[in-house]
Amino acid sequence: QVTLKESGPGILQPSQTLSLTCTFSGFSLSTYGMGVGWIRQPSGKGLEWLANIWWDDDKYYNPSLKNRLTISKDTSNNQAFLKITNVDTADTATYYCARIGTTGGYVMDAWGQGASVTVSS
Amino acid sequence: DVVLTQTPSTLSATIGQSVSISCRSSQSLLDSAGNTYLYWYLQRPGQSPQLLIYLVSNLGSGVPNRFSGSGSGTDFTLKISGVEAEDLGVYYCMQATHAIFTFGSGTKLEIK
Repeated sequence: QVTLKESGPGILQPSQTLSLTCTFSGFSLSTYGMGVGWIRQPSGKGLEWLANIWWDDDKYYNPSLKNRLTISKDTSNNQAFLKITNVDTADTATYYCARIGTTGGYVMDAWGQGASVTVSS
Repeated sequence: DVVLTQTPSTLSATIGQSVSISCRSSQSLLDSAGNTYLYWYLQRPGQSPQLLIYLVSNLGSGVPNRFSGSGSGTDFTLKISGVEAEDLGVYYCMQATHAIFTFGSGTKLEIK
């Protein structure tokens, strides 16, 4: 059974760095073709893809946020991470991580429950 | 960047009615190997998105067969043949043909 769980600070102030952790089980990020993606959703709005990291440590970022995003992984501890620098109120959202599986192309076939992040002074 | 345009933005249906959602891409989603990485997700109220359709027309695990996907190139459709109450929520298309993934803006399905 594949499970993912996001964790984060809950609330932080503008200009700080947001650090998110995705802890997963049921798969390994060292498996050929596997990946983890980060997606966010402001309250009442749509989904925004942020970044992907792959089994071979290849990384892709949303161009509109690229300068502020850093994705990384700890394969031995089954974790993926996302950092967003210089946050402001527009970064307030629920942040999801999702497995990108090897069956069905680049399908995000399992999602975490989401971590709520509020940026406020 | 690839832009996915979903229509309609809101859909109201009665139980048993069949409905369709359109997803149009600003670029072809067919890659050089002949694959089309177009997916459909449903986000029920208060829940995380769940996979419905992968690679344009393949049903996700456990997804009822009243859902179907079709299309090619830049035009794609999700059809629900006989809406049920549990189908309410927001439907999103997503492309992964290009390394930079993108989601459509979403279609909210309401039950009359």
